[in-house]
Amino acid sequence: GQNIDQPTEMTATEGAIVQINCTYQTSGFNGLFWYQQHAGEAPTFLSYNVLDGLEEKGRFSSFLSRSKGYSYLLLKELQMKDSASYLCAVRDNNAGNMLTFGGGTRLMVKP
Amino acid sequence: DTEVTQTPKHLVMGMTNKKSLKCEQHMGHRAMYWYKQKAKKPPELMFVYSYEKLSINESVPSRFSPECPNSSLLNLHLHALQPEDSALYLCASSQGSSGANVLTFGAGSRLTVL
Repeated sequence: GQNIDQPTEMTATEGAIVQINCTYQTSGFNGLFWYQQHAGEAPTFLSYNVLDGLEEKGRFSSFLSRSKGYSYLLLKELQMKDSASYLCAVRDNNAGNMLTFGGGTRLMVKP
Repeated sequence: DTEVTQTPKHLVMGMTNKKSLKCEQHMGHRAMYWYKQKAKKPPELMFVYSYEKLSINESVPSRFSPECPNSSLLNLHLHALQPEDSALYLCASSQGSSGANVLTFGAGSRLTVL
């Protein structure tokens, strides 16, 4: 099985930077994904990491350390529309290569 | 076309009804998935079809019956459901089912069982 842990909720201010952490334990790590999900809507893909290091995509960056079983999603210049749940998901070679999602972090951006 | 289309968006059914959820994609993806999501919880994998064959069934009760008529369509047949089955049912597809293959999700079908 897999354990994927994320904080349940976070609050940040418009224009600020926020870091959402994700830790995981898996026997056959084969990639980590971050998805954004607005309430009542489908998850949308944000980023993918399989090697250690930082992947940058505009205001969003994602970091991975495989030896520590750790990733974070960094959101810069926060906007009100960034209020959403952020889901960390891990693909495991030893689980049919399927994605298992963490519980998600509900981010609230305040003015 | 870069979308996964799900119908209906909302469904209310009684415990004795038979209904179906439908999912369609025209991206040429060969893997299709059904996930169940309860409020404020992450999506939970139910079924995976790879090249139109059922490859994973995550011990889902038989009152949920998936069907993949062709590479673009995925159905979920519902029969004798329980109120606790009320949830958002998400369909997703991906080019393949390993490595960097990104799942594209549909908007979901919100099911209420009375």
